[in-house]
Amino acid sequence: QQQVKQSPQSLIVQKGGISIINCAYENTAFDYFPWYQQFPGKGPALLIAIRPDVSEKKEGRFTISFNKSAKQFSLHIMDSQPGDSATYFCAASKGNYGQNFVFGPGTRLSVLP
Amino acid sequence: NAGVTQTPKFRVLKTGQSMTLLCAQDMNHEYMYWYRQDPGMGLRLIHYSVGEGTTAKGEVPDGYNVSRLKKQNFLLGLESAAPSQTSVYFCASSYYGSGYTFGSGTRLTVV
Repeated sequence: QQQVKQSPQSLIVQKGGISIINCAYENTAFDYFPWYQQFPGKGPALLIAIRPDVSEKKEGRFTISFNKSAKQFSLHIMDSQPGDSATYFCAASKGNYGQNFVFGPGTRLSVLP
Repeated sequence: NAGVTQTPKFRVLKTGQSMTLLCAQDMNHEYMYWYRQDPGMGLRLIHYSVGEGTTAKGEVPDGYNVSRLKKQNFLLGLESAAPSQTSVYFCASSYYGSGYTFGSGTRLTVV
């Protein structure tokens, strides 16, 4: 199966709170799991990515948690800020550059001041 | 360093009209892609190219054609636009180890 499921569809968080977005995949051949951030009127931009040989990767306030056995991965945004309000897409791929990327449907995050 | 540039940014077409969307990248990337983005459906691959002079179909290729005559350019054509092609179109490029770089999108409305 090539689908990547993503939840929730939308998320509202208070400033300073933790935002959590979850994704699940089926294809065990996937070995690259990026998250993209998209602001209105802009294209998606790579935020953070993980390989399945590690269970967690942290970059500043953004952390990916990866559960290989459950075929799930999640994005955690600590100390969420209004500037984090955007749509977030998870993706999965075999390799990090080819045509095999499969994107989730996206999560619209709103961080209230 | 502009990255990936898409033109035009907005366009309104009448049903049956044709148009070409242009994507240009200055990163010397081998791979280029055209995606469409629709509410609740994420990004769906229309066509892609693994190098100059090559093209291949993606998930939703019907009604679109592409050309990659030069490495830096990837053109997406609509021969006879339909309202179902109303969408936001994104071009992207990549190279081994680089991940995807997206353009800022073209918002197309077909009336």
